[in-house]
Amino acid sequence: SQQGEEDPQALSIQEGENATMNCSYKTSINNLQWYRQNSGRGLVHLILIRSNEREKHSGRLRVTLDTSKKSSSLLITASRAADTASYFCATDSSGNTGKLIFGQGTTLQVKP
Amino acid sequence: GAGVSQSPRYKVAKRGQDVALRCDPISGHVSLFWYQQALGQGPEFLTYFQNEAQLDKSGLPSDRFFAERPEGSVSTLKIQRTQQEDSAVYLCASSTGQDYKNIQYFGAGTRLSVL
Repeated sequence: SQQGEEDPQALSIQEGENATMNCSYKTSINNLQWYRQNSGRGLVHLILIRSNEREKHSGRLRVTLDTSKKSSSLLITASRAADTASYFCATDSSGNTGKLIFGQGTTLQVKP
Repeated sequence: GAGVSQSPRYKVAKRGQDVALRCDPISGHVSLFWYQQALGQGPEFLTYFQNEAQLDKSGLPSDRFFAERPEGSVSTLKIQRTQQEDSAVYLCASSTGQDYKNIQYFGAGTRLSVL
């Protein structure tokens, strides 16, 4: 079963705009990760935030984590057509195995 | 190899047929994971290996699913007597198994269609 939900399920924006995706989860976590999946491909790791961190940046990506609300958000700034993909949050509650529980994903379309 | 390799990329099976899906992880990666991804859904955990030891198989949906990694590198996911509900993309991922990060590197997946 999925760990939580992502919101929105689908998002369509113009190139240059910012895209925000939200993720909620149910159990306590060690870390939360965001992955991208292009159509017909495997997942690519984007960014990891630990449970004791509140915000993390990587290039055009900004991730926030609120453990009291069991939620996270991913912001992609100045979006490009190449950012079109599905985005998944995944939580690691495993202790030390690294087993991930994924959300249902947000499908992002960036129009040129 | 440079990344995680899965074969075949596509597999069509008749209901009741047995299938075997192969995963070649990144060389030296200790941890190996199998996930099942239904259309339009996120991946769901199936099983986890640390080297050759299968430490968690809690996600395997039935006893028709079996995974092995006998020498701690290549892994095979076997599905016996396939059913239509087994149709999905099967993803393999590997990680170093070290430190808290455990970032997983995914293969492109095997798309299984059971007719």
